[in-house]
Amino acid sequence: DTGVSQDPRHKITKRGQNVTFRCDPISEHNRLYWYRQTLGQGPEFLTYFQNEAQLEKSRLLSDRFSAERPKGSFSTLEIQRTEQGDSAMYLCASSQGSVAEAFFGQGTRLTVV
Amino acid sequence: AQSVTQLDSHVSVSEGTPVLLRCNYSSSYSPSLFWYVQHPNKGLQLLLKYTSAATLVKGINGFEAEFKKSETSFHLTKPSAHMSDAAEYFCVVRFITGGGNKLTFGTGTQLKVEL
Repeated sequence: DTGVSQDPRHKITKRGQNVTFRCDPISEHNRLYWYRQTLGQGPEFLTYFQNEAQLEKSRLLSDRFSAERPKGSFSTLEIQRTEQGDSAMYLCASSQGSVAEAFFGQGTRLTVV
Repeated sequence: AQSVTQLDSHVSVSEGTPVLLRCNYSSSYSPSLFWYVQHPNKGLQLLLKYTSAATLVKGINGFEAEFKKSETSFHLTKPSAHMSDAAEYFCVVRFITGGGNKLTFGTGTQLKVEL
């Protein structure tokens, strides 16, 4: 297994457009997380899945953001009507078990122009 | 309230001297604690983790951290810094809340290593 994979690595979009990112976790991991990191800041929690169930969603996540993990494997994060403030690195991580460490992907860098 | 605080946003050391990166947490429960490192344009890499076993945890690249419950601290140390240690370091806490257990990141400490 090559670890957590994210696609695309970079995305430039115009304000108002919709974007979708994909995350493929480590295959045996049942937990999948999405984080957002802006320049000079630590990653901020967005949402978390255990298998296909979305168990927690940050209050930072506006209704323009939606995430799915339809079969408990890969996940998608969609941002509708993008705004310049959405420009950030979007990180995906996966883990197995309640105390295990999370393994992070390389991230998707979104630039909204 | 549950939180994690990294006390220094920037730390600068000379190569070959000790490194100390400080982290404190606030929690009603015993958390799981981690240190991650992020090199420029690279993904987050786990350095070490504490999950209620031994309080002194050894990680990769000569780093270690000690969990001190009485001080609610989990400071990261290394006896001798190397140029390749220059990076951003994040203290991360897993709080068991409700039905989930998200990871909460500190604001990060930028480590600079000088010759």
